[in-house]
Amino acid sequence: GQQVMQIPQYQHVQEGEDFTTYCNSSTTLSNIQWYKQRPGGHPVFLIQLVKSGEVKKQKRLTFQFGEAKKNSSLHITATQTTDVGTYFCAGTGNQFYFGTGTSLTVIP
Amino acid sequence: EAGVVQSPRYKIIEKKQPVAFWCNPISGHNTLYWYRQNLGQGPELLIRYENEEAVDDSQLPKDRFSAERLKGVDSTLKIQPAELGDSAVYLCASSPWGGAGTEAFFGQGTRLTVV
Repeated sequence: GQQVMQIPQYQHVQEGEDFTTYCNSSTTLSNIQWYKQRPGGHPVFLIQLVKSGEVKKQKRLTFQFGEAKKNSSLHITATQTTDVGTYFCAGTGNQFYFGTGTSLTVIP
Repeated sequence: EAGVVQSPRYKIIEKKQPVAFWCNPISGHNTLYWYRQNLGQGPELLIRYENEEAVDDSQLPKDRFSAERLKGVDSTLKIQPAELGDSAVYLCASSPWGGAGTEAFFGQGTRLTVV
């Protein structure tokens, strides 16, 4: 069945360092979404990508959808303590699945 | 604008007891989702409603879980009887429509502990 995996599972960075999480699907996706979940909170929608090779930016966040529409990445430039949380990708293949998530810790 | 409202926020029950969760979606949102999130994992879809119709309940354990969305607004999710493995956060989400890739707005969730 469809699976959406994310790596790494955990990432600790010093404040100001960059961070990247990768999302890989076993099937081709029609679209991919990214969500952020703060500790103890609920997932909050960040962005959606639809087109092959699409790149979108939100301030220090850069989102990319792979050419084959089976993978995606989220890159944060110069992390801040407010970036702490778990980042999930969620993709629509034969069904809509959330990825396994990457938990980001930012050390001040 | 009010967000998705869930209650209760926390629930502790003994195994084999029944439990129910309630969700009030954002006004005007036709699509409602129930997710289960285990610690350290991503949300897992249990059921999706389009108005009052359950259009995807393929991952709902129907032997003990049930859900309803009367009048296509509020929804309840019930577990009877609860098992230890049901301990998790139950998230409700809504979206304006259920098309592929529609942004979902999540509630705060109900943290269930079964002892």
